[in-house]
Amino acid sequence: DIVMTQTPLSLSVAPGQPASISCKSSQSLLHSDGKTCLYWYLQKPGQSPQLLIFEVSNRFSGVSDRFTGSGSGTDFTLKISRLEAEDVGVYYCMQGLQLPYTFGQGTKLEIK
Amino acid sequence: EVQLLESGGTLEQPGGSLRLSCAASGFTFSHYAMSWVRQVPGKGLEWVSVISGSGGSTFYADSVKGRFTISRDNSDNTLYLQMNRLRAEDTAIYYCAKSPYFGGNPRLFDHWGQGTLVTVSS
Repeated sequence: DIVMTQTPLSLSVAPGQPASISCKSSQSLLHSDGKTCLYWYLQKPGQSPQLLIFEVSNRFSGVSDRFTGSGSGTDFTLKISRLEAEDVGVYYCMQGLQLPYTFGQGTKLEIK
Repeated sequence: EVQLLESGGTLEQPGGSLRLSCAASGFTFSHYAMSWVRQVPGKGLEWVSVISGSGGSTFYADSVKGRFTISRDNSDNTLYLQMNRLRAEDTAIYYCAKSPYFGGNPRLFDHWGQGTLVTVSS
């Protein structure tokens, strides 16, 4: 199975400040079709997960442009440019290259 | 608007069986693969199973293989998870999740339900 490792596991950021989460996979997530199967989800308190970013850097419908995904191969980053109160929750990266799909441990983001 | 509504979660004894349902609306159900993903309360996410849009392809996590069966009724827009020989470690919130692709390896989930809690305990 592909292992997904996120750092840090928790993060406290002041409003208006940037935040960054790293995700590393145990093998390349580059598919033979040229797409990289790395996704980011946010689970807000008391809610189900919601898709933020697909294929490394593409924002899902309705996602703020304050969220930016980057990376390639095995190393990926999610950046939030200016933290807002609505951004708090647990962020997960996930690989969809091969079954079983696997998630990172999650990064809990709080407002300082 | 895509809506996914899970039901069927309850308290069940070890060794027992449960069937979860997920009623889908707001999209052409048969066109998309569907999955179950679970989460122990307060813990991380674990993919459980996926089924293709036609129902012809299914895959399972090793932790549930041989005990759980995923199925779908495209005439009724409903996804199911039959859970047999339940164990304490199956205790979790079970989410149904829609994928944006048809096939049995659909890579991601673009919409999630609110989840249903399964508790396995004597």
